[in-house]
Amino acid sequence: GQNIDQPTEMTATEGAIVQINCTYQTSGFNGLFWYQQHAGEAPTFLSYNVLDGLEEKGRFSSFLSRSKGYSYLLLKELQMKDSASYLCAVKDSNYQLIWGAGTKLIIKP
Amino acid sequence: GAVVSQHPSWVICKSGTSVKIECRSLDFQATTMFWYRQFPKQSLMLMATSNEGSKATYEQGVEKDKFLINHASLTLSTLTVTSAHPEDSSFYICSADPPQTAEEQYFGPGTRLTVT
Repeated sequence: GQNIDQPTEMTATEGAIVQINCTYQTSGFNGLFWYQQHAGEAPTFLSYNVLDGLEEKGRFSSFLSRSKGYSYLLLKELQMKDSASYLCAVKDSNYQLIWGAGTKLIIKP
Repeated sequence: GAVVSQHPSWVICKSGTSVKIECRSLDFQATTMFWYRQFPKQSLMLMATSNEGSKATYEQGVEKDKFLINHASLTLSTLTVTSAHPEDSSFYICSADPPQTAEEQYFGPGTRLTVT
């Protein structure tokens, strides 16, 4: 079956750096997405990786290794507003999005 | 960027009644839209894929006669929860396949449904 694993919850300190990992096993691969979701709101797009390597976008970076079925989202200079759930999703061979359960990130002052 | 709207943003209805939720792509045409449901502290669950001009494709375990989907135009898909029950109370989110220039799905703001 298809599966995406990410930690349920992580805690970090304001101003610090945190890495959220995601491993996936899917039938085919057509890109990996990271979304941010605040409670009671819809997800907002953060990043897209389809080739191996690191994509940097401001304070957020996303890494992909297709051979390892692995990605991480790196958040730098953490701010209180970064407290949210972070969802990893993979497009499979049918271009259907398979969603991880999300990682709740708690930022402490 | 592309915008997807949903209406209403929240709704309270009595058990046994039906509720219609609209999803619109405001500045692009969406041949495919997706309907998700999200229970508290859980991830998104895809309910169905809505294709303009054809029948929706429902995920396993989702009752197509209870969750009616209509995608009559390239900018509008509707989800009707028929004979709603308290266990249907959830956060319903739609998304649309992007224009060719983008990869990510564009999400609507979601609709909070509470059935009393």
